[in-house]
Amino acid sequence: DIQMTQSPSSVSASVGDRVTITCRASQGISSWLAWYQQKPGKAPKLLIYAASSLQSGVPSRFSGSGFGTDFTLTISSLQPEDFATYYCQQGYSFPYTFGQGTKLEIK
Amino acid sequence: QVQLVQSGAEVKKPGSSVKVACKTSGGTFSNNVISWVRQAPGQGLEWMGGSAPIVGSAKYAQKFQGRVTITADASTSTAYMDLSSLRSEDTAVYYCARGFSSSWYPHYCDSWGQGTLVTVSS
Repeated sequence: DIQMTQSPSSVSASVGDRVTITCRASQGISSWLAWYQQKPGKAPKLLIYAASSLQSGVPSRFSGSGFGTDFTLTISSLQPEDFATYYCQQGYSFPYTFGQGTKLEIK
Repeated sequence: QVQLVQSGAEVKKPGSSVKVACKTSGGTFSNNVISWVRQAPGQGLEWMGGSAPIVGSAKYAQKFQGRVTITADASTSTAYMDLSSLRSEDTAVYYCARGFSSSWYPHYCDSWGQGTLVTVSS
């Protein structure tokens, strides 16, 4: 199985800050990576797919980059509604696997 | 607008089985892979398996092989996830999610059900 490792596991930031979350795959996955946002008690929401494509309706302050094994999710200017847990997921091979999550908390 | 609506919460005894339904609307059911993802309390997301209605195939994570069966009924636009030999560690919220396309690769989930809590307790 492909292991997905996110860092950091948690991060504290303030409204207006720029935040970057990293996801590393244990083997190359081309650009077949997605990022999801999950709020407590809710289903995950797709933010980014194919490493850098913004899902329809997602604010442009979210961006993704990377190829192969190293990927990043960047939130350019944090808004109050962005405090949540973020997961990466590889869509390259079975079983599809998720990172362990990064909890973004208010400082 | 695509919607996935799941069946309600379940409480099950260890050793029994549970079947969770996921009814889709707002799209063409056979055009997309449906995945099942679970989340234990306070834990991360875990892909269990999925079905590709257009080709009539299902794929499962090795961890669940032999215990999970995923099916799809195109006539009712409903997918099902059946998990047997339940144990306490299976207590989790189970989500169905629609894949981007009818193909297994690449696989991203653009619409999700609301989740179904399955509690396994004696």
